[in-house]
Amino acid sequence: AQSVTQLGSHVSVSEGALVLLRCNYSSSVPPYLFWYVQYPNQGLQLLLKYTSAATLVKGINGFEAEFKKSETSFHLTKPSAHMSDAAEYFCAVSAAGSGGSNYKLTFGKGTLLTVNP
Amino acid sequence: GAGVSQSPSNKVTEKGKDVELRCDPISGHTALYWYRQSLGQGLEFLIYFQGNSAPDKSGLPSDRFSAERTGGSVSTLTIQRTQQEDSAVYLCASSLSLGPGTGELFFGEGSRLTVL
Repeated sequence: AQSVTQLGSHVSVSEGALVLLRCNYSSSVPPYLFWYVQYPNQGLQLLLKYTSAATLVKGINGFEAEFKKSETSFHLTKPSAHMSDAAEYFCAVSAAGSGGSNYKLTFGKGTLLTVNP
Repeated sequence: GAGVSQSPSNKVTEKGKDVELRCDPISGHTALYWYRQSLGQGLEFLIYFQGNSAPDKSGLPSDRFSAERTGGSVSTLTIQRTQQEDSAVYLCASSLSLGPGTGELFFGEGSRLTVL
């Protein structure tokens, strides 16, 4: 079984400041890890994913995340926040490997990012 | 449109009534998922369809919930005898490949259900 914990249901940053959204996972098998973003009244959109290749993953809109096995973390960062980054961000995990339930994406509870001018 | 389409976008119903929510996935996507999004609770997996295989219904919260997928395309999620705790946004997603480990999930905008 796998689970995701997102630390902080709400993060507020100033425009131009560093964005750091925290995600810790639990998985009994090597995980696949994802960050999705949800803008108001829209569906979720994939930001980036880790699937056992490079541990530093770059995504859209300048976001990146680093897989740290020793810390069971997959924190999302962006060097400089824009007003347009205001949204809800979800970390998710699925079990890697063949067969089983690797198709089930387990989501965290989400972190709402507010960007102040 | 090219994206995942869900209808209705909003549904208000009375406790005890049945509701049907529809999902039209991206053409050619073989995998289809239903999730439930409740305020402050993240996304809860409900059910997964892959091609002609038997669906994984392990996430359905009770026997009042059922889903089908006709012709490998459109899916309908049915909630019978709705309860107030069923109020949530129901999200549908589709994927080209076997699962999110190998492919990206494309989400619809959701159907917001309010049970009075």
